Amino acid sequence: DVKVTQSSRYLVKRTGEKVFLECVQDMDHENMFWYRQDPGLGLRLIYFSYDVKMKEKGDIPEGYSVSREKKERFSLILESASTNQTSMYLCASSSGTGLNSNQPQHFGDGTRLSIL
Amino acid sequence: GQNIDQPTEMTATEGAIVQINCTYQTSGFNGLFWYQQHAGEAPTFLSYNVLDGLEEKGRFSSFLSRSKGYSYLLLKELQMKDSASYLCAVSGGSYIPTFGRGTSLIVHP
Repeated sequence: DVKVTQSSRYLVKRTGEKVFLECVQDMDHENMFWYRQDPGLGLRLIYFSYDVKMKEKGDIPEGYSVSREKKERFSLILESASTNQTSMYLCASSSGTGLNSNQPQHFGDGTRLSIL
Repeated sequence: GQNIDQPTEMTATEGAIVQINCTYQTSGFNGLFWYQQHAGEAPTFLSYNVLDGLEEKGRFSSFLSRSKGYSYLLLKELQMKDSASYLCAVSGGSYIPTFGRGTSLIVHP
């Protein structure tokens, strides 16, 4: 089974801090995604990557950046955390060459991030 | 842009059948996914439709009509453990799935 592991289930940080959320997948998937999930808003795509060192903006990239130095690891960075970034963050991966594969996404258990 | 619409909440009785609808408007279409998400857990893949018609997988079936921009997830013989959120996701012209807001299904005895 595909395993997508997020480094923390719960995280509390302060406004203005730089925050790193880590995600690792063990199935050699090309594509990785970061979403945030908020009540009533569903899953919204922040950034995605279809290859090492490649990244693309999703629907809500403002205030975030990402890093993919190795195929298995995709990091989400909150450059200067703000209270409106309090949310559940979900990482996902999918297989296929580039994104033209339409394979289902496999999700991590999520990180519930609180910014105080 | 893409617009995906599904009901916010549904309730049903154990043993019954429930149909969760999803309508969409997208620029291009390359398939529709259904995921199940229990509270506090990761979404898990249920089904994928890219051609019109019904796909059956045990108690769960998913239907697609591309001309109508419409899909539904059918759950038969409902069990208490089916209480969860059901997420519809559409892969448009860019192949990046866009998620609806999810339907929270409550199954009661």
